[in-house]
Amino acid sequence: QKEVEQNSGPLSVPEGAIASLNCTYSDRGSQSFFWYRQYSGKSPELIMSIYSNGDKEDGRFTAQLNKASQYVSLLIRDSQPSDSATYLCAVKPSAAGNKLTFGGGTRVLVKP
Amino acid sequence: NAGVTQTPKFQVLKTGQSMTLQCAQDMNHNSMYWYRQDPGMGLRLIYYSASEGTTDKGEVPNGYNVSRLNKREFSLRLESAAPSQTSVYFCASSEWQGANYGYTFGSGTRLTVV
Repeated sequence: QKEVEQNSGPLSVPEGAIASLNCTYSDRGSQSFFWYRQYSGKSPELIMSIYSNGDKEDGRFTAQLNKASQYVSLLIRDSQPSDSATYLCAVKPSAAGNKLTFGGGTRVLVKP
Repeated sequence: NAGVTQTPKFQVLKTGQSMTLQCAQDMNHNSMYWYRQDPGMGLRLIYYSASEGTTDKGEVPNGYNVSRLNKREFSLRLESAAPSQTSVYFCASSEWQGANYGYTFGSGTRLTVV
């Protein structure tokens, strides 16, 4: 079992709709969770971080965390063609150190 | 405001050749990392350096060596390149800043081993 799992997609979403991305993780002691966006041929960029159970909103993005279910999600509201990218879920495991473990990424395609 | 600078951006090597990927950050971060990214496999950690003077193996260290030259620079060396090392390599740095934490990535090195 991979430590961080994501559906590879592609997730096809009409423009203006909500894109829902899911991520599960295996280390129950993980405390910090991150979503990165990566455009084709570019490096990942941080879009959201979440540390507590519940929802965290930032503009059109909402991260949701459920530690009991070991599940973190990302919602993109009013999806735009510019949101078409690969979204990487990253988890900071409970072991000491600052390194992150990444999922394989979900490719999102927003169609006009 | 350069952030993390990686060189080179592209490289083609023949099997058995060696090369060093360079990475430098100007954000005064303590921690630096080397990841490789392959299709469908996300980012996998090769080596990391929690602070100047320390380095540790990550998930896929075989075939690689690293040097934390100083606080700014962290290099990755392939001693004898193999086709399995064809990948995109990303360097990153990080620092905890209160409630905010995240990596800053370099622009990547696309390496092809033939």
